[in-house]
Amino acid sequence: KAGVTQTPRYLIKTRGQQVTLSCSPISGHRSVSWYQQTPGQGLQFLFEYFSETQRNKGNFPGRFSGRQFSNSRSEMNVSTLELGDSALYLCASSPDGQGTGELFFGEGSRLTVL
Amino acid sequence: DQQVKQNSPSLSVQEGRISILNCDYTNSMFDYFLWYKKYPAEGPTFLISISSIKDKNEDGRFTVFLNKSAKHLSLHIVPSQPGDSAVYFCAARRASGNTPLVFGKGTRLSVIA
Repeated sequence: KAGVTQTPRYLIKTRGQQVTLSCSPISGHRSVSWYQQTPGQGLQFLFEYFSETQRNKGNFPGRFSGRQFSNSRSEMNVSTLELGDSALYLCASSPDGQGTGELFFGEGSRLTVL
Repeated sequence: DQQVKQNSPSLSVQEGRISILNCDYTNSMFDYFLWYKKYPAEGPTFLISISSIKDKNEDGRFTVFLNKSAKHLSLHIVPSQPGDSAVYFCAARRASGNTPLVFGKGTRLSVIA
């Protein structure tokens, strides 16, 4: 069974640009969650999508947005990039959502903002 | 306000000895706890979990202990192996409802041969 796939793995952007990251969950998983990992800050929850609906949202500004498609694939977008947005963005999927069992993580997309 | 705290950023242990990683939480509504391991350039992988109805869960070399009154859990690795060198994240959530997993900042374990 293929794992969670995230693309691109690495990208470099400049301040003010926008970026879109993609996540393909494990087949059959309907929930996709996004986390931001920065040095010394652990994993900060961004949002969770379940059956194309945003079910939970963390404390991030509106520049961070996401969506989920009917095939459960998800994208997250960050607009007007800031230097502080440099981080590893992790996508995680689960069969029924954050409230049950464990999350299965992808390898992440490492974003560098210059 | 950090609800899940891992106060030791790093830990070094000799191969064959016990590794003990600690985690404290502040939200008394948390009743399900997980440990994840993360190698560089990889995503976190699930290691072991424990429900609040238990105080211990064991899986091979890994044991998690939960002290609800102290709002404290610990992960024991016995014996420690060089391949255990990684960053370990403690995570917690409420088992009811669809609340997200809350993670600590992680502890970097180095197992020295």
